[in-house]
Formats: sequence, structure tokens, C-alpha cells
Amino acid sequence: GAGVSQSPSNKVTEKGKDVELRCDPISGHTALYWYRQSLGQGLEFLIYFQGNSAPDKSGLPSDRFSAERTGGSVSTLTIQRTQQEDSAVYLCASSVTAKNTEAFFGQGTRLTVV
Amino acid sequence: DAKTTQPPSMDCAEGRAANLPCNHSTISGNEYVYWYRQIHSQGPQYIIHGLKNNETNEMASLIITEDRKSSTLILPHATLRDTAVYYCIVRVPVRSNDYKLSFGAGTTVTVRA
Repeated sequence: GAGVSQSPSNKVTEKGKDVELRCDPISGHTALYWYRQSLGQGLEFLIYFQGNSAPDKSGLPSDRFSAERTGGSVSTLTIQRTQQEDSAVYLCASSVTAKNTEAFFGQGTRLTVV
Repeated sequence: DAKTTQPPSMDCAEGRAANLPCNHSTISGNEYVYWYRQIHSQGPQYIIHGLKNNETNEMASLIITEDRKSSTLILPHATLRDTAVYYCIVRVPVRSNDYKLSFGAGTTVTVRA
């Protein structure tokens, strides 16, 4: 596609439920990044993929968070047993490679846990 | 683990140049400086990056000091649509030659009519 696409754009879920957030990177971009931005805060790095491999998972806040990427394209960020503190905007970005950080961001998924 | 320091906020007048400073005194010799901005409720947008030489594109100019310890992003003719949070970033290595962008608090720029 022309840009990074994220879905859904908004998600409201009940505490304790699992959610899946999807990111479609720019075609041909091998690097994909996930960030989280809480209200009024800066961007918090979560995880990145180079191809289908996630070399650094240290940014994931807890073991309730996981991410995968298949076919070197679409990525899914899964949050299990959601908590209210998970409420934030989840942003995805892609770049040609992880050596090149001219990254293009999607519009984000706004997650609200009630 | 952001490596940069920026003023928290600044105002500028519409139509005037906006000069956004950034300190990166611990930058290493082969590290690039990146600038992004985030307009309210949108994802960050790439503006420009540079290593040693000054850079210019259709959005902005980047002036890097000779010792590379600081830089200035210049928006030549600020418009109301340039109101945003501007992030100065020195990327962080995560493994071998892979890098991530580590965002600090940025500078909230308000362009006033």
C-alpha cells in the first residue's frame, strides 16, 4: 500500500479480554517497529522486526504482550488479559531495513480498556 | 535512553522562520541525527536527517555544528499547520547494524497567527 496501515483505528475492550492489533507495513519494507504512546506522553519502544525475526523483545512491558510477523509483511501485536494501564495509542512504523531508520508511521490504534 | 536534549516548548510567529535547537553532546562519530514531528492525533512524520553536513529538503533545513554536539532544525516559513511536537533523535543500536528510534519528550512548537 501507499503507507503504513493499522487496524482497527479504535478499540474498546473490557478488562481481562485479549486484543489483537494489526499493522500492514509499506510494501518492500523489511523492518517493522511497534511503539506505545500513553495520553500526553512520549513514544515508548516495544519491539521491532527485521524480516520475520524479532531480535529485541526487551521493550515489551510484560509477558501479556507478544508480537509476530509472518511473510515479512503483516505484524500482529497481541495483548492478553488486558489491564486499564494498557490503554494507549499503539503505533506501528516500517522502514526499508533496520539499518535505515527513515521510518514511516501509521496512524495508530487507540486502545481503551474499560 | 534518549541521547538528546530539547527545550520543552517554543512559540513562533506564522510566516517567520522557526529555529529548533537540540543538544546531543554524547553523539558518536558515525551516528546520524534524525528529526520527526507529531501533529496532534497523528503518527510521527519523518522530517530530515544528517550526519555532518547541513541538509535541506522541501520541509526543513538541518544545521549541525562542526563538533556535532548540537543541531538546529529550521522551518523556513512556519505555518499554523506546523504546530506539532518536534523530536530530535539519535538512533540507538539494538544489534549489529540494526537501529531503533528512541523518542524523548520533544519540543512542543506552537505557531501563532
